[in-house]
Amino acid sequence: DAGITQSPRHKVTETGTPVTLRCHQTENHRYMYWYRQDPGHGLRLIHYSYGVKDTDKGEVSDGYSVSRSKTEDFLLTLESATSSQTSVYFCASRGLSETGELFFGEGSRLTVL
Amino acid sequence: AQTVTQSQPEMSVQEAETVTLSCTYDTSENNYYLFWYKQPPSRQMILVIRQEAYKQQNATENRFSVNFQKAAKSFSLKISDSQLGDTAMYFCAFILMNRDDKIIFGKGTRLHILP
Repeated sequence: DAGITQSPRHKVTETGTPVTLRCHQTENHRYMYWYRQDPGHGLRLIHYSYGVKDTDKGEVSDGYSVSRSKTEDFLLTLESATSSQTSVYFCASRGLSETGELFFGEGSRLTVL
Repeated sequence: AQTVTQSQPEMSVQEAETVTLSCTYDTSENNYYLFWYKQPPSRQMILVIRQEAYKQQNATENRFSVNFQKAAKSFSLKISDSQLGDTAMYFCAFILMNRDDKIIFGKGTRLHILP
């Protein structure tokens, strides 16, 4: 299994506070992704990265920013958390192989009160 | 834009039966991959099966097989001899190769295997 970890795994915060979720992978994968999972919506792409300092928006990027200063780390930041951002967040990565397979982290449950 | 549609939000079948989960997608491209991922109650995302669009032969992994109909843009998952451990959320996913790095997921089908 690919080594991909997320931190924190659980977080409770208050509306208006900044929150940063970290994704760390040890596979030297080029591509990294942040998804959020909500009932009835499946997995929706927030942002993704195709290399160090190269990122792009997904379908639900409003209210989120990302940074990738090293291959192994992909940070997701909520500048001012809102209750609508309560969700389970998944990080994923993939390499340059032709299979296209995504490897996922364990997920981070964020609750915004 | 590419889309993935799973029309069955929830299904239930008896243990040992065969079940088919539906997935359709929309793209004008020819070079892509399709996947089925499984998410058991542990929340871990597990790759079940993968299909390359250029391959006509349907992918098979033990009890799991797909029916890939490229012209119809359909990619269904068949689970044979279903087991209690197959109870999970199943997601269909799509990625364009060599051009777009986004991987798009459907909304999922929650599958219950009944004893």
